[in-house]
Amino acid sequence: NAGVTQTPKFRILKIGQSMTLQCTQDMNHNYMYWYRQDPGMGLKLIYYSVGAGITDKGEVPNGYNVSRSTTEDFPLRLELAAPSQTSVYFCASSYTGGGIQYFGAGTRLSVL
Amino acid sequence: GIQVEQSPPDLILQEGANSTLRCNFSDSVNNLQWFHQNPWGQLINLFYIPSGTKQNGRLSATTVATERYSLLYISSSQTTDSGVYFCAVDPRETSGSRLTFGEGTQLTVNP
Repeated sequence: NAGVTQTPKFRILKIGQSMTLQCTQDMNHNYMYWYRQDPGMGLKLIYYSVGAGITDKGEVPNGYNVSRSTTEDFPLRLELAAPSQTSVYFCASSYTGGGIQYFGAGTRLSVL
Repeated sequence: GIQVEQSPPDLILQEGANSTLRCNFSDSVNNLQWFHQNPWGQLINLFYIPSGTKQNGRLSATTVATERYSLLYISSSQTTDSGVYFCAVDPRETSGSRLTFGEGTQLTVNP
């Protein structure tokens, strides 16, 4: 059972480039989340989804977009990357809203 | 929004020692979760504990929702306990889908 899988593990972007961070879960969870973690800080919610076709903003959504076409996948899109988006990005899922969240291994992104 | 404060920010222990980590939150919550982030960055859920006390091996947690705090106890610490411990709360004012994290307690257990 793979759980939550994130790709890639590491990425370096130039300012202004775009990329998509992939997240897949095989637990048939309805809820999925994207967080970012800056050095020495806790996690902050970027976007979340309560099911296929339904997404909503979290605390820090600016500069990001998401989509949820299937239960399994929840990609995060960065458009026009900026140095402020240098961070570690975590995807998580839960069976119910407010339920136990299971995290992927993270994507370490540097924007130079 | 809700504020989550964890203390202490840093803690250094000798192997075998016990410790207590604290999480204070500023408003009513639907639930509270404790996570361990290991030195390689992986986040693992330790407890889902909106109220009461739970135990899992050498770890236990207590949440007193009416007084807005939670405690994580680590007994007979081991070097593998090192990492960052996060408390995260789901504010009652939300739909039950949004966790707010504290800034964590960095624990180092020396052999």
